[in-house]
Amino acid sequence: DTAVSQTPKYLVTQMGNDKSIKCEQNLGHDTMYWYKQDSKKFLKIMFSYNNKELIINETVPNRFSPKSPDKAHLNLHINSLELGDSAVYFCASSPGYPPDDTQYFGPGTRLTVL
Amino acid sequence: AQKVTQAQTEISVVEKEDVTLDCVYETRDTTYYLFWYKQPPSGELVFLIRRNSFDEQNEISGRYSWNFQKSTSSFNFTITASQVVDSAVYFCALAPLDSNYQLIWGAGTKLIIKP
Repeated sequence: DTAVSQTPKYLVTQMGNDKSIKCEQNLGHDTMYWYKQDSKKFLKIMFSYNNKELIINETVPNRFSPKSPDKAHLNLHINSLELGDSAVYFCASSPGYPPDDTQYFGPGTRLTVL
Repeated sequence: AQKVTQAQTEISVVEKEDVTLDCVYETRDTTYYLFWYKQPPSGELVFLIRRNSFDEQNEISGRYSWNFQKSTSSFNFTITASQVVDSAVYFCALAPLDSNYQLIWGAGTKLIIKP
Protein backbone atom coordinates (compact mmCIF):
# COMPACT_ATOMS: atom_id res chain seq x y z
CA ASP A 1 0.00 0.00 0.00
CA THR A 2 1.33 3.42 -0.94
CA ALA A 3 1.86 5.57 2.13
CA VAL A 4 1.87 9.01 0.48
CA SER A 5 0.43 9.17 -3.01
CA GLN A 6 0.23 12.03 -5.49
CA THR A 7 -1.67 12.43 -8.72
CA PRO A 8 -0.82 13.03 -11.42
CA LYS A 9 2.80 11.90 -11.67
CA TYR A 10 3.35 14.03 -14.74
CA LEU A 11 1.57 17.21 -15.74
CA VAL A 12 2.26 19.10 -18.94
CA THR A 13 0.28 22.25 -19.53
CA GLN A 14 0.30 25.63 -21.21
CA MET A 15 1.15 28.93 -19.60
CA GLY A 16 -1.87 30.64 -18.11
CA ASN A 17 -3.74 27.45 -17.31
CA ASP A 18 -4.96 26.44 -13.85
CA LYS A 19 -4.07 22.99 -12.54
CA SER A 20 -4.31 20.93 -9.37
CA ILE A 21 -2.15 18.26 -7.82
CA LYS A 22 -3.67 15.88 -5.31
CA CYS A 23 -2.00 14.27 -2.33
CA GLU A 24 -3.26 11.60 0.02
CA GLN A 25 -1.58 9.82 2.92
CA ASN A 26 -2.79 6.67 4.62
CA LEU A 27 -0.33 6.82 7.50
CA GLY A 28 -2.71 8.49 9.93
CA HIS A 29 -0.37 11.48 10.15
CA ASP A 30 -1.57 14.88 11.33
CA THR A 31 0.79 17.07 9.31
CA MET A 32 1.21 17.38 5.56
CA TYR A 33 3.53 19.46 3.40
CA TRP A 34 4.17 20.66 -0.10
CA TYR A 35 7.72 21.08 -1.36
CA LYS A 36 9.06 22.36 -4.67
CA GLN A 37 12.21 20.87 -6.17
CA ASP A 38 13.76 22.98 -8.91
CA SER A 39 15.91 21.86 -11.81
CA LYS A 40 19.03 22.02 -9.64
CA LYS A 41 17.42 19.59 -7.17
CA PHE A 42 17.06 22.26 -4.50
CA LEU A 43 14.16 21.48 -2.17
CA LYS A 44 12.06 24.30 -0.76
CA ILE A 45 9.09 24.01 1.53
CA MET A 46 5.97 25.77 0.35
CA PHE A 47 3.20 24.93 2.79
CA SER A 48 2.44 22.84 5.83
CA TYR A 49 -0.91 21.86 7.28
CA ASN A 50 -1.55 20.36 10.68
CA ASN A 51 -5.01 18.85 11.19
CA LYS A 52 -6.33 20.84 8.23
CA GLU A 53 -4.91 24.10 9.60
CA LEU A 54 -2.28 26.08 7.69
CA ILE A 55 0.92 26.17 9.74
CA ILE A 56 3.67 27.15 7.30
CA ASN A 57 3.14 29.44 4.37
CA GLU A 58 6.49 30.33 2.91
CA THR A 59 7.02 33.10 0.41
CA VAL A 60 5.09 31.56 -2.43
CA PRO A 61 3.10 33.46 -5.04
CA ASN A 62 -0.56 33.62 -4.13
CA ARG A 63 -1.30 31.79 -7.38
CA PHE A 64 -0.53 28.71 -5.30
CA SER A 65 -3.32 27.72 -2.96
CA PRO A 66 -3.27 24.61 -0.81
CA LYS A 67 -6.50 22.98 0.28
CA SER A 68 -6.91 20.37 2.97
CA PRO A 69 -10.39 18.83 2.96
CA ASP A 70 -9.36 16.46 5.75
CA LYS A 71 -6.13 15.56 7.48
CA ALA A 72 -5.40 12.75 5.01
CA HIS A 73 -5.49 15.02 1.98
CA LEU A 74 -3.60 18.13 0.94
CA ASN A 75 -4.16 19.37 -2.57
CA LEU A 76 -2.27 22.09 -4.39
CA HIS A 77 -4.03 24.34 -6.84
CA ILE A 78 -2.02 26.60 -9.10
CA ASN A 79 -3.61 29.45 -11.03
CA SER A 80 -2.26 31.18 -14.12
CA LEU A 81 0.71 28.87 -14.51
CA GLU A 82 4.02 30.42 -15.49
CA LEU A 83 7.14 28.95 -17.06
CA GLY A 84 8.98 29.27 -13.74
CA ASP A 85 6.49 26.97 -12.08
CA SER A 86 8.02 24.03 -13.92
CA ALA A 87 9.46 21.81 -11.21
CA VAL A 88 8.85 18.63 -9.30
CA TYR A 89 6.34 19.06 -6.48
CA PHE A 90 6.52 16.72 -3.53
CA CYS A 91 3.91 16.09 -0.93
CA ALA A 92 5.02 14.77 2.46
CA SER A 93 3.51 13.89 5.81
CA SER A 94 4.69 13.48 9.38
CA PRO A 95 2.95 12.25 12.52
CA GLY A 96 2.58 15.52 14.40
CA TYR A 97 3.57 19.15 14.72
CA PRO A 98 6.18 20.42 15.36
CA PRO A 99 7.43 17.74 13.03
CA ASP A 100 10.05 16.27 15.35
CA ASP A 101 9.58 13.07 13.49
CA THR A 102 10.34 11.78 10.06
CA GLN A 103 8.65 13.25 7.02
CA TYR A 104 7.62 10.69 4.43
CA PHE A 105 7.43 11.83 0.85
CA GLY A 106 5.18 11.05 -2.05
CA PRO A 107 6.57 10.08 -5.46
CA GLY A 108 6.51 13.64 -6.76
CA THR A 109 4.62 15.35 -9.59
CA ARG A 110 6.69 16.66 -12.45
CA LEU A 111 5.03 19.81 -13.73
CA THR A 112 6.09 21.17 -17.09
CA VAL A 113 4.70 24.51 -18.21
CA LEU A 114 5.06 25.23 -21.92
CA ALA B 1 22.60 30.90 10.58
CA GLN B 2 21.26 27.45 10.08
CA LYS B 3 22.40 25.57 7.07
CA VAL B 4 23.51 22.25 5.66
CA THR B 5 26.51 21.93 3.39
CA GLN B 6 27.09 18.97 1.14
CA ALA B 7 30.31 20.05 -0.49
CA GLN B 8 30.51 17.10 -2.87
CA THR B 9 28.29 17.93 -5.82
CA GLU B 10 28.98 14.66 -7.59
CA ILE B 11 30.94 11.52 -6.76
CA SER B 12 31.70 8.72 -9.18
CA VAL B 13 33.11 5.38 -8.05
CA VAL B 14 33.38 1.90 -9.42
CA GLU B 15 31.10 -0.78 -8.04
CA LYS B 16 32.30 -2.45 -4.83
CA GLU B 17 34.26 0.60 -3.73
CA ASP B 18 33.40 2.23 -0.43
CA VAL B 19 32.21 5.81 -0.62
CA THR B 20 31.55 8.49 1.99
CA LEU B 21 29.15 11.37 1.48
CA ASP B 22 29.91 14.39 3.63
CA CYS B 23 27.39 16.52 5.47
CA VAL B 24 28.27 19.52 7.61
CA TYR B 25 25.59 21.46 9.39
CA GLU B 26 25.34 24.75 11.25
CA THR B 27 22.92 25.54 14.04
CA ARG B 28 23.04 27.22 17.43
CA ASP B 29 20.31 24.93 18.66
CA THR B 30 21.24 22.13 21.02
CA THR B 31 18.11 20.22 20.07
CA TYR B 32 17.81 19.17 16.46
CA TYR B 33 17.43 16.22 14.16
CA LEU B 34 19.51 15.15 11.21
CA PHE B 35 18.28 13.14 8.26
CA TRP B 36 19.50 11.48 5.13
CA TYR B 37 17.21 10.92 2.17
CA LYS B 38 17.90 9.15 -1.10
CA GLN B 39 16.50 10.26 -4.45
CA PRO B 40 17.07 7.54 -7.07
CA PRO B 41 16.74 8.28 -10.81
CA SER B 42 13.05 7.37 -10.59
CA GLY B 43 12.60 10.59 -8.60
CA GLU B 44 11.00 9.65 -5.30
CA LEU B 45 12.50 10.74 -1.98
CA VAL B 46 13.28 7.81 0.27
CA PHE B 47 13.93 8.26 3.98
CA LEU B 48 17.15 6.59 5.14
CA ILE B 49 17.87 7.71 8.68
CA ARG B 50 16.95 10.17 11.42
CA ARG B 51 19.25 11.00 14.29
CA ASN B 52 18.63 13.34 17.21
CA SER B 53 21.28 15.68 18.55
CA PHE B 54 21.57 13.86 21.84
CA ASP B 55 22.42 10.53 20.30
CA GLU B 56 25.93 10.49 18.89
CA GLN B 57 26.06 6.75 18.45
CA ASN B 58 27.03 5.71 14.98
CA GLU B 59 24.55 3.59 13.11
CA ILE B 60 24.98 0.72 10.72
CA SER B 61 22.27 -0.70 8.51
CA GLY B 62 23.57 -3.34 6.14
CA ARG B 63 26.03 -1.66 3.80
CA TYR B 64 25.06 1.78 5.05
CA SER B 65 26.63 3.50 8.03
CA TRP B 66 26.41 6.96 9.50
CA ASN B 67 28.99 8.82 11.55
CA PHE B 68 27.58 11.65 13.67
CA GLN B 69 30.18 13.93 15.25
CA LYS B 70 28.91 16.96 17.11
CA SER B 71 32.45 18.23 17.63
CA THR B 72 32.78 18.82 13.89
CA SER B 73 29.06 19.31 13.20
CA SER B 74 29.14 16.51 10.70
CA PHE B 75 26.84 13.65 9.85
CA ASN B 76 28.60 11.63 7.19
CA PHE B 77 27.17 8.69 5.31
CA THR B 78 29.24 5.76 4.12
CA ILE B 79 28.22 3.08 1.67
CA THR B 80 30.36 -0.02 1.85
CA ALA B 81 30.83 -2.23 -1.21
CA SER B 82 28.77 0.11 -3.37
CA GLN B 83 26.36 -1.26 -5.96
CA VAL B 84 24.92 0.23 -9.12
CA VAL B 85 21.52 0.48 -7.39
CA ASP B 86 23.06 2.95 -4.94
CA SER B 87 23.29 5.49 -7.74
CA ALA B 88 21.13 8.41 -6.64
CA VAL B 89 21.16 11.91 -5.27
CA TYR B 90 21.57 11.86 -1.51
CA PHE B 91 20.28 14.70 0.63
CA CYS B 92 21.27 15.57 4.16
CA ALA B 93 18.80 17.68 6.14
CA LEU B 94 18.71 19.44 9.49
CA ALA B 95 15.59 20.05 11.59
CA PRO B 96 16.35 22.44 14.46
CA LEU B 97 13.98 23.07 17.33
CA ASP B 98 14.37 26.82 16.77
CA SER B 99 12.73 26.50 13.39
CA ASN B 100 9.98 24.27 14.71
CA TYR B 101 11.86 21.38 13.19
CA GLN B 102 11.34 22.65 9.67
CA LEU B 103 13.70 20.76 7.38
CA ILE B 104 16.75 22.65 6.15
CA TRP B 105 18.12 20.80 3.15
CA GLY B 106 21.58 20.39 1.75
CA ALA B 107 22.03 20.76 -1.98
CA GLY B 108 22.46 17.03 -2.44
CA THR B 109 25.31 14.84 -3.64
CA LYS B 110 24.89 12.93 -6.86
CA LEU B 111 26.44 9.50 -6.49
CA ILE B 112 27.27 7.53 -9.62
CA ILE B 113 28.25 3.91 -9.25
CA LYS B 114 29.83 2.51 -12.39
CA PRO B 115 29.66 -1.21 -13.10
